[in-house]
Amino acid sequence: AQSVSQHNHHVILSEAASLELGCNYSYGGTVNLFWYVQYPGQHLQLLLKYFSGDPLVKGIKGFEAEFIKSKFSFNLRKPSVQWSDTAEYFCAVNSRGFQKLVFGTGTRLLVSP
Amino acid sequence: DTGVSQNPRHKITKRGQNVTFRCDPISEHNRLYWYRQTLGQGPEFLTYFQNEAQLEKSRLLSDRFSAERPKGSFSTLEIQRTEQGDSAMYLCASSSGRGYEQYFGPGTRLTVT
Repeated sequence: AQSVSQHNHHVILSEAASLELGCNYSYGGTVNLFWYVQYPGQHLQLLLKYFSGDPLVKGIKGFEAEFIKSKFSFNLRKPSVQWSDTAEYFCAVNSRGFQKLVFGTGTRLLVSP
Repeated sequence: DTGVSQNPRHKITKRGQNVTFRCDPISEHNRLYWYRQTLGQGPEFLTYFQNEAQLEKSRLLSDRFSAERPKGSFSTLEIQRTEQGDSAMYLCASSSGRGYEQYFGPGTRLTVT
C-alpha cells in the first residue's frame, strides 16, 4: 500500500530563515505528487504539484519542491520564510491513473517574527 | 470564485444518532471525493465519485457510512448509529476530468458525545 512520510512534525523558524520540509513516499509506480498548505482557520490549499517533466517545480508564494525519483522524495523548500507562512503543510501522492490521494501526517511550521 | 462548500460546518450529535453532511463541488468538476481527518493526522480517503457513479470506497467506509451523488452534482455523506470514534473533520474535494489536483472544501467537524 502507498504511504507518505513527513519526518518533521513541528518546525520553528525565525523570519528570513530557509525552509526544507521532507517528504518520502513508498510506491514503485508512476506517481503524482502534491504539497498542500492549511493556514490557521482556513481549508487545505494546493501549494504545488508534480506530474511529469522538470523535477524542480515552483508553486505559489515562493515555494518550490524537487522530485528525486531515486530517493522517492519530494521535499518542499523556501529560501526565506515569512511570518505569514505559519501553517500546516501536507505532502500527498496518488498513483498515476488513480484518484485517491494519500497524505502524510503533516508538518506544523511556526515562523516567529 | 465559488469553491467547494460544505454544510454544516459543525455538527454535535449524541452517540447512536444519524448524521448527514452535504458537499457542493466546484460547478464544472465531475469528480468528487470524501476524506476524513483526525487530530494530528493527514486526511484519509473515504470514497470517490465520477459524476453520479461511486467508483472507489476505502475500507475505512464501514457499512454505517453511505455516500451518494444522485445527479452528479452535490453529494451527501451519511453516518448511521454514530460512535465516538467517528468524531473527526470530514472533508470534501472536487476535481475536473482534465487535471489531477483536488480542491478542498472547509470541512464539517463532527463531534459525537
